[in-house]
Amino acid sequence: GAGVSQSPRYKVAKRGQDVALRCDPISGHVSLFWYQQALGQGPEFLTYFQNEAQLDKSGLPSDRFFAERPEGSVSTLKIQRTQQEDSAVYLCASSLAGQGARAYQPQHFGDGTRLSIL
Amino acid sequence: EDQVTQSPEALRLQEGESSSLNCSYTVSGLRGLFWYRQDPGKGPEFLFTLYSAGEEKEKERLKATLTKKESFLHITAPKPEDSATYLCAVRTAGGGNEKLTFGTGTRLTIIP
Repeated sequence: GAGVSQSPRYKVAKRGQDVALRCDPISGHVSLFWYQQALGQGPEFLTYFQNEAQLDKSGLPSDRFFAERPEGSVSTLKIQRTQQEDSAVYLCASSLAGQGARAYQPQHFGDGTRLSIL
Repeated sequence: EDQVTQSPEALRLQEGESSSLNCSYTVSGLRGLFWYRQDPGKGPEFLFTLYSAGEEKEKERLKATLTKKESFLHITAPKPEDSATYLCAVRTAGGGNEKLTFGTGTRLTIIP
């Protein structure tokens, strides 16, 4: 497809369960980002990949959150032992250029996964 | 710590009534200010990038401007389809930092 694709669009899980959220970035995009958006708030940065390398994970709220991008394309955000405070929309974004590129390329977002923890 | 503050939180306008949204920022070394539009249930849609004070960008009824402390998104003669949440974000210097720091957004409603 032409845009960033995220699946599932909606996920309901019971507290304590593990979840996995998938992101398919725009083809050829080097950089990939995960953000968390609470209701009525702006997106908050979680982690950043350049190709398969995770260059920044400073926004991950706890060690229950783990992200990977093993082949430099599709990425998965995994949350272990989910808690109610994990309920939010998880947004993925990609951009064409990587760190240090001469011209910055804007981030393009998917429509997110709405995660509800019961 | 980088901070981005948007005002007002919500704005209701009559169709055709022009106005401005504000984004003020406190950052250590601005490397770009970004405006996004977000519709309910959708991801943010990129609108503009501004890099230096005095810069302006336009797209249809929207114009974004930048000073050393704030940015404005001017909306001229808005239509109902301009109703959305408008998000401002900054990219800052230091350590190859690529992340965006967002404000909480302005929810704009245009009444026909």
